Amino acid sequence: SYVLTQPPSVSVAPGKTASITCGGNNIGSKSVHWYQQKAGQAPVLVVYDNSDRPSGIPERFSGSNSGNTATLTISRVEAGDEADYYCQVWDSSSDRWVFGGGTKLTVL
Amino acid sequence: QVQLVESGGGVVQPGRSLRLSCAASGFTFSNYGMHWVRQAPGKGLEWVAVIWYDGSNKYYADSVKGRFTISRDNSKNTLYLKMNSLSVDDTAVYYCARVMDSYSSGWPAYWGQGTLVTVSS
Repeated sequence: SYVLTQPPSVSVAPGKTASITCGGNNIGSKSVHWYQQKAGQAPVLVVYDNSDRPSGIPERFSGSNSGNTATLTISRVEAGDEADYYCQVWDSSSDRWVFGGGTKLTVL
Repeated sequence: QVQLVESGGGVVQPGRSLRLSCAASGFTFSNYGMHWVRQAPGKGLEWVAVIWYDGSNKYYADSVKGRFTISRDNSKNTLYLKMNSLSVDDTAVYYCARVMDSYSSGWPAYWGQGTLVTVSS
């Protein structure tokens, strides 16, 4: 089955840029979706189709996908961005949706 | 606005069954595919199942296939998850979620607040 690998944690200072990676075999050929989950809350979609943002999501959130790595980039990080972030893809070889293990973003 | 409200969670003994419901409002339910996603305490998200807008296709995670059944009643704007042969490993918050685009089998875009299922003797 298809596996998505995320770093368990990323730390960043306020105002700086955070990059959260999602690794998978030839993930560049897939559409990657990213979710933000704050403590005690339901997940929120922040990026879909690799780089598109749903309405209401700040432009500070952006995504890219190439080769074996997809990346969620958060610019000008704020304290309110502290959350767990998950990537997700559709694995067409098994007809299953797959989530990465999640990355905890800490704002220093 | 899209509203999804899960219900039916609670404490259940191993081996027993439980049915979760997800009441949808704020959109034309029959036009959208729906997912169930779960999250064990302190763990990450795990996709459970998806059903197409018309119920014609259903897909399941390997961990629940053969035990769980996803279904929908478009006349009642309600999504269901029937869970049989529950084990302690099924303990989790269960979220229902709507796909982004109508008539598609896409990713979860709008999520409910979840319902907690605890499997314990």
